[in-house]
Amino acid sequence: QQQVKQSPQSLIVQKGGISIINCAYENTAFDYFPWYQQFPGKGPALLIAIRPDVSEKKEGRFTISFNKSAKQFSLHIMDSQPGDSATYFCAASKAGTALIFGKGTTLSVSS
Amino acid sequence: DTAVSQTPKYLVTQMGNDKSIKCEQNLGHDTMYWYKQDSKKFLKIMFSYNNKELIINETVPNRFSPKSPDKAHLNLHINSLELGDSAVYFCASSQIETAEAFFGQGTRLTVV
Repeated sequence: QQQVKQSPQSLIVQKGGISIINCAYENTAFDYFPWYQQFPGKGPALLIAIRPDVSEKKEGRFTISFNKSAKQFSLHIMDSQPGDSATYFCAASKAGTALIFGKGTTLSVSS
Repeated sequence: DTAVSQTPKYLVTQMGNDKSIKCEQNLGHDTMYWYKQDSKKFLKIMFSYNNKELIINETVPNRFSPKSPDKAHLNLHINSLELGDSAVYFCASSQIETAEAFFGQGTRLTVV
């Protein structure tokens, strides 16, 4: 049973466009929802995170939208740049437990 | 100054051998983890450990064992290595209250 489902598997976006990656979760006890960015040969790096008491969080060009009733959250990357090309993972956890990751989205931003 | 560091970065070994991967964190975190990333990039939790509790993912073979000499270190020992153990292994740490996990650079293990 996959607890965190992520889509799409891969995404190609033009430079300057908006990249949107979606995740859905099943466990209503989850209370922490981060997004990680991973470049080849590197470890995942925390990008932005949200807790279920807010519906949106923005940091620079990155925004998380959170829909508690639908059990969905998404990452929006505004003005996508070639340097944003990486694999993105959504994740979820409940207090005191390890992160459960989605299967990842490979983003390619074409110049 | 690296927050979570793992050694070695690459490890090539023969089937049947026993190997260890070391992890150290200098963030003062109370919880450490080992994750396995397979060839499809799927990240899966293997162990989480703090000074009170070791939580083992039930799907992890008992050939894998974490060992923590102190709060800042969590090493991974693997016995009788198999071809299917080839993957990238990531160490991570977090403070249990914030849940923000920081990852090391990974160890690419290749079993031949």
